[in-house]
Amino acid sequence: DGGITQSPKYLFRKEGQNVTLSCEQNLNHDAMYWYRQDPGQGLRLIYYSQIVNDFQKGDIAEGYSVSREKKESFPLTVTSAQKNPTAFYLCASTWSVNTEAFFGQGTRLTVV
Amino acid sequence: GQQLNQSPQSMFIQEGEDVSMNCTSSSIFNTWLWYKQDPGEGPVLLIALYKAGELTSNGRLTAQFGITRKDSFLNISASIPSDVGIYFCAGPTSGTYKYIFGTGTRLKVLA
Repeated sequence: DGGITQSPKYLFRKEGQNVTLSCEQNLNHDAMYWYRQDPGQGLRLIYYSQIVNDFQKGDIAEGYSVSREKKESFPLTVTSAQKNPTAFYLCASTWSVNTEAFFGQGTRLTVV
Repeated sequence: GQQLNQSPQSMFIQEGEDVSMNCTSSSIFNTWLWYKQDPGEGPVLLIALYKAGELTSNGRLTAQFGITRKDSFLNISASIPSDVGIYFCAGPTSGTYKYIFGTGTRLKVLA
């Protein structure tokens, strides 16, 4: 089945530690995205990538980093510089501009 | 960052009732997308609209692309308990890969 896979579903991190969230897609989509969702709020764009080896900051990129070494993969690292990392993180992909965006199941990150 | 204005923010309705929600923007969109999100899950695409004035149905759901290209509407007919969730509108900013999302409409259905 084609789709987007995020792992893990739940993640716990100690303060001061970096953590990497995985996102893999087999839809052959060029563009991939990371969003953050806080309770009762909408989606905010962290980073997006239009093509391999290229990515752009979104609205809330501070404290996050990404890489796009393969078309299928777009991992997100939440660094210790992110002040409020506890949130629900969503990965998405699109084939091109003005096309449908498809989402993964999300990763809930909790800092303990 | 930019966001779409979505209303109402929340709705409590009786099972069997029809539901209407809308999304407005200060700028023109070429594509409108409607999603449903269940708690703890990723949003699932319900309907995609690509043309001003377009009216598209998906089962009990009907969505319309406003003729001004600055708004869109989603209707759910004969609501059932599994319609509970958060409904988001979304659209890509013109000519870019950046998608903007509405603030969501939280729907609760009372049996």
